[in-house]
Amino acid sequence: DIQLTQSPSSLSASVGDRVTITCRASQTIGFYLNWYQQKPGRAPKVLIYGASSSLSGVPSRFSGSGSGTDFTLTISVLQPEDFAIYFCQQSYVTPWTFGPGTKVEIK
Amino acid sequence: QVQLQESGPGLVKPSQTLSLTCTVSGGSLSNNNYYWTWIRQPPGQGLEWLGYSFYSGGTDYNPSLKSRILISVDRSKNQFSLRLNSVTGADTAVYFCAGERIAEAATRYFDLWGRGTLVSVSS
Repeated sequence: DIQLTQSPSSLSASVGDRVTITCRASQTIGFYLNWYQQKPGRAPKVLIYGASSSLSGVPSRFSGSGSGTDFTLTISVLQPEDFAIYFCQQSYVTPWTFGPGTKVEIK
Repeated sequence: QVQLQESGPGLVKPSQTLSLTCTVSGGSLSNNNYYWTWIRQPPGQGLEWLGYSFYSGGTDYNPSLKSRILISVDRSKNQFSLRLNSVTGADTAVYFCAGERIAEAATRYFDLWGRGTLVSVSS
């Protein structure tokens, strides 16, 4: 199985900050990497697919980059509603796997 | 808009079978742009992909579940189901049904989710 690691596992930030989360794959996965946001008691919501493709309805402050084994999710200007857990997920080969998550907390 | 809703028992005894159903509303299960998927999340932990079925019946499962899992679709009811045999406490989790969208360049992502249902395995 492809293992995904995320760093940091948690971070504290203030509204207005720029936040960067990293996801690393145990083998090359091209650009087959998605990012999700999950709030307590809710299902995850997709933010970015294909490493950097944006989705209708997702604020433009969320962006993704990377390919191969190293990927980044950036929140350009952190908003109050962005405090959540962020997961990466690979769709290169089954079994699809998820990263362990990065918790973004209020500073 | 398409909505998914899980249903089924919230408590299952060890060694028995966990059975859940996901009802798709606002759209058709017979959509060749989606794989119908189950994902679970143990309390306070990360996400685990369990498997999927295409509307025509083709399936793929997480090998970690070996031969315990079955995902099936019922197009007449616009539902798909999960059966997980021989459950233990390790199967206690919130179970989500999801739709995995097939996008350009063979990219795929989960863009439809149910609200999730907690299934506890306990005697």
